Amino acid sequence: AQKITQTQPGMFVQEKEAVTLDCTYDTSDPSYGLFWYKQPSSGEMIFLIYQGSYDQQNATEGRYSLNFQKARKSANLVISASQLGDSAMYFCAMREDLFTGTASKLTFGTGTRLQVTL
Amino acid sequence: DVKVTQSSRYLVKRTGEKVFLECVQDMDHENMFWYRQDPGLGLRLIYFSYDVKMKEKGDIPEGYSVSREKKERFSLILESASTNQTSMYLCASSSLTGSGANVLTFGAGSRLTVL
Repeated sequence: AQKITQTQPGMFVQEKEAVTLDCTYDTSDPSYGLFWYKQPSSGEMIFLIYQGSYDQQNATEGRYSLNFQKARKSANLVISASQLGDSAMYFCAMREDLFTGTASKLTFGTGTRLQVTL
Repeated sequence: DVKVTQSSRYLVKRTGEKVFLECVQDMDHENMFWYRQDPGLGLRLIYFSYDVKMKEKGDIPEGYSVSREKKERFSLILESASTNQTSMYLCASSSLTGSGANVLTFGAGSRLTVL
């Protein structure tokens, strides 16, 4: 079974609009973390935002927020006021076994390509 | 500016060749990782290392090996390259902490084509 599922291969959004990128996950571990990364055409992965399974509040970082719904096992990324520079591939990822694992390896989804239009 | 540096951005090799992909980080990170990225499949973990000379298999280790002789350097080795190893290879590193928000820092990637 897929641990991270991103069902939207591609999305379009108009500049200045908000957009939600979907991510669902599957784990039986009570302690886990969810990450979103952005990959522009240059290829480098850029960390955007993190949510821990025990965090009470939804994470926010500037124009990025994470809509964390634990019971539904979803961790959607919301980008407010889209900009042309937001056009990129976006990956959702999960780390299990947060506090006892020896290495912080991540499992990634297949990604969503976001295109911001004028 | 701290970074993860992958020595080759683009490589073209022939089937059967031995291929080395080098990765160096300057952040004194304990953990290092090799992922491959393919369209529609996302990133898949090949190998990782949490200490010098230590290595563990990821999800798709077949056809690959790794070497970590120094803390800052993690090499991915394709003993006999095959066409199905044509891909983008991403190296990453992270520190060894108990914090959940242990962010991976990635290199720019190495695009390997095997003919």
